[in-house]
Amino acid sequence: QKEVEQNSGPLSVPEGAIASLNCTYSDRGSQSFFWYRQYSGKSPELIMFIYSNGDKEDGRFTAQLNKASQYVSLLIRDSQPSDSATYLCAATAYSSASKIIFGSGTRLSIRP
Amino acid sequence: GAVVSQHPSRVICKSGTSVKIECRSLDFQATTMFWYRQFPKQSLMLMATSNEGSKATYEQGVEKDKFLINHASLTLSTLTVTSAHPEDSSFYICSASRDRENEQFFGPGTRLTVL
Repeated sequence: QKEVEQNSGPLSVPEGAIASLNCTYSDRGSQSFFWYRQYSGKSPELIMFIYSNGDKEDGRFTAQLNKASQYVSLLIRDSQPSDSATYLCAATAYSSASKIIFGSGTRLSIRP
Repeated sequence: GAVVSQHPSRVICKSGTSVKIECRSLDFQATTMFWYRQFPKQSLMLMATSNEGSKATYEQGVEKDKFLINHASLTLSTLTVTSAHPEDSSFYICSASRDRENEQFFGPGTRLTVL
């Protein structure tokens, strides 16, 4: 069973600091990687996707991918209380590029 | 663009009844739609993948006779939970992807409670 693993948290970060979320995946054939944010009782919303090794920045968010280590991370700069949510890491399955495997999510709490 | 809607957003039903949930892509044609289930404090579990005009592909352990999926057009997929039981109570979320893209656009979800 191909897996995507995340630390469940909760991860508590002071407002204004950098939050660092990590994820590992087991399917070496995965090509694309996603970070979704999910508020309680709501469906996931896409934050970023990345498919090349290195960093990808979008506003306060930076996704990092290291395919050799099978490692994906998300950095949130200048954390805000509204960033408090569960963050889901996901990777496409090699067996079916349209299928996404989700991690169990990391709960992030930004304390004022 | 890329908006997906679900209806209803919340449904409460009696044990033994069937419930139909609709998933629509509002501003794009969805070549593939996905149905997920999420229990409290757990991640999304993929139930099935459906392509327009063909039978859905169910994940291991998901009963195809209990969770009927119909993908009648490029903008509509339905999930029918037949003979629902309390253990089927969950948050059901659909998503849709466009041709040759892996990004999935999620609907707002349907909260099902079976009494």
